[in-house]
Amino acid sequence: EPEVTQTPSHQVTQMGQEVILRCVPISNHLYFYWYRQILGQKVEFLVSFYNNEISEKSEIFDDQFSVERPDGSNFTLKIRSTKLEDSAMYFCASREGGETQYFGPGTRLLVL
Amino acid sequence: DAKTTQPPSMDCAEGRAANLPCNHSTISGNEYVYWYRQIHSQGPQYIIHGLKNNETNEMASLIITEDRKSSTLILPHATLRDTAVYYCIVRSGNSGYSTLTFGKGTMLLVSP
Repeated sequence: EPEVTQTPSHQVTQMGQEVILRCVPISNHLYFYWYRQILGQKVEFLVSFYNNEISEKSEIFDDQFSVERPDGSNFTLKIRSTKLEDSAMYFCASREGGETQYFGPGTRLLVL
Repeated sequence: DAKTTQPPSMDCAEGRAANLPCNHSTISGNEYVYWYRQIHSQGPQYIIHGLKNNETNEMASLIITEDRKSSTLILPHATLRDTAVYYCIVRSGNSGYSTLTFGKGTMLLVSP
């Protein structure tokens, strides 16, 4: 069964450094999402992406964040200058056209 | 999207049916009820969704009351691997790019 994959599974970085989290959505899907979950808290929406542009974003998704679909398969989330509070699990999701989103296993980001 | 209310936690014996309730008294006519679950530190996993009629798939059954103000997710024969946080999410079928708003969900503990 097709699934969303994410790399790396874990990332440790120093505060102020840039990180890029990578996702490979399911191949025929058209809508892509990033969510995050700070330890012990709810899953929070960050951004949605369709037709090569951001379609919605939350208040969390400020100028430090960007997304890109550099080729036909990858979908990336970049954090330009990481802060301690960016430490979280980051989940990528995709959907074909119906309402159901399929999530990846997540990347655990730790900012020191 | 309508607000949902779920119990914070429930217990279930292995092999028995797990019945997880969700109240959504402000649901409107075009809003669907979605269920996702999150096994510890993994990405949310789609389970089932419905509008008015009861639904069943290989994972679970969804029972929606006639007035649609509440629903129950049924795992017919719970296993230890069903221990997870279960999220009931109500959202419109016409709500743009389909971002999901996760609440705190119900922590289901299946024990031997």
